[in-house]
Amino acid sequence: EIVMTQSPATLSVSPGERATLSCRASQSVSSNLAWYQQKPGQAPRLLIYGASTRATGIPARFSGSGSGTEFTLTISSLQSEDFAVYYCQQYNNWPPMVTFGPGTKVDIK
Amino acid sequence: QVQLQESGPGLVKPSQTLSLTCTVSGGSISSGSYYWSWIRQPAGKGLEWIGRIYTSGSTNYNPSLKSRVTISVDTSKNQFSLKLSSVTAADTAVYYCARETPGMATLYWGQGTLVTVSS
Repeated sequence: EIVMTQSPATLSVSPGERATLSCRASQSVSSNLAWYQQKPGQAPRLLIYGASTRATGIPARFSGSGSGTEFTLTISSLQSEDFAVYYCQQYNNWPPMVTFGPGTKVDIK
Repeated sequence: QVQLQESGPGLVKPSQTLSLTCTVSGGSISSGSYYWSWIRQPAGKGLEWIGRIYTSGSTNYNPSLKSRVTISVDTSKNQFSLKLSSVTAADTAVYYCARETPGMATLYWGQGTLVTVSS
């Protein structure tokens, strides 16, 4: 089973600042890595897939990078609506299963 | 636009079987190449992938739940289902159904349904 870790657990950021979130896989997942945003009481929303491709309708301030085992989600200038929990997810072909990271909470500094 | 909606009992007794259904609208569950998935989230905790069924009918399950999980599809009703047997309080969670596109992650999610395991 591929284990995903995320850091930090909590990130305190002021509006307008940049946020950098990290995700690590216990073995290579190539570029089969997605990022989701989740707000309280809502289902997760897909932000990034393929490690760096923004999903439809996702603002350009969200960007993803990395491959193999190390990945980063960057929010270039945090808006009020961006304060949420962010999860990374691997969906590599082998083993044929999906795993999520434990999440990073981005809150207001 | 694809939409997914979970339904099923909100309360299940310990040792019984949790059964949920996801109704898909805006597209046929048997067309295209997709994984139809179940994910859960205990209150205040992270997301846990339960398993999925492919358009072809093949399934993949989380190894930690595999002995208790069955996911199936009913194409005549455009639905897929989750059965989780021998539940305990640890299975209390919001359960989401979702559609995953191979290579493109999970774009479509249901709104989630809370299932509580309690006597």
